[in-house]
Amino acid sequence: SQELEQSPQSLIVQEGKNLTINCTSSKTLYGLYWYKQKYGEGLIFLMMLQKGGEEKSHEKITAKLDEKKQQSSLHITASQPSHAGIYLCGADKRGGSNYKLTFGKGTLLTVNP
Amino acid sequence: SAVISQKPSRDICQRGTSLTIQCQVDSQVTMMFWYRQQPGQSLTLIATANQGSEATYESGFVIDKFPISRPNLTFSTLTVSNMSPEDSSIYLCSVLQGKAFFGQGTRLTVV
Repeated sequence: SQELEQSPQSLIVQEGKNLTINCTSSKTLYGLYWYKQKYGEGLIFLMMLQKGGEEKSHEKITAKLDEKKQQSSLHITASQPSHAGIYLCGADKRGGSNYKLTFGKGTLLTVNP
Repeated sequence: SAVISQKPSRDICQRGTSLTIQCQVDSQVTMMFWYRQQPGQSLTLIATANQGSEATYESGFVIDKFPISRPNLTFSTLTVSNMSPEDSSIYLCSVLQGKAFFGQGTRLTVV
């Protein structure tokens, strides 16, 4: 099975600081998703990366997929309390015609005002 | 993007009972997925639910414990049967529409 390792497990930053969360796979990633989850709630889609070297940005969040498609990073610039939550990376685990996602264990982000 | 409504949002249930979770999508989708998120753990896929056929279960999950219905292209239910405290989790439904979208989840506590 495809294992996804996320680091760090948790992160506490001061408002206004930049931060990076990493997601690493032992196998090639066919599609890499980033989601945000508020405690005990559903997942909010952030970004999907498919091509090696791809980079996408939305507001103050940038996600990258490396050329080998085995590692992705999520970078938040000038963090705000609204960025707090659990960030999950998920990988497309293709099995025939089904698209099943395997997830990392998440990174708990706390932003102190 | 697909809008997914899950009910109930949370419940506290007695052990030995069953709970049915509903997932309604605002558009027709071919594939729906049910995930479980145990405390402190990541999401684990329970099964894939396709309309008109039996659900496909992942290793470690069986139909008797997690029966799934998929009567049409916008609706699915997951039942957690004969519950024990180990079933306390967040259960999420997901649909694939270009990308994967998730419902708000059902927080289940079994006492």
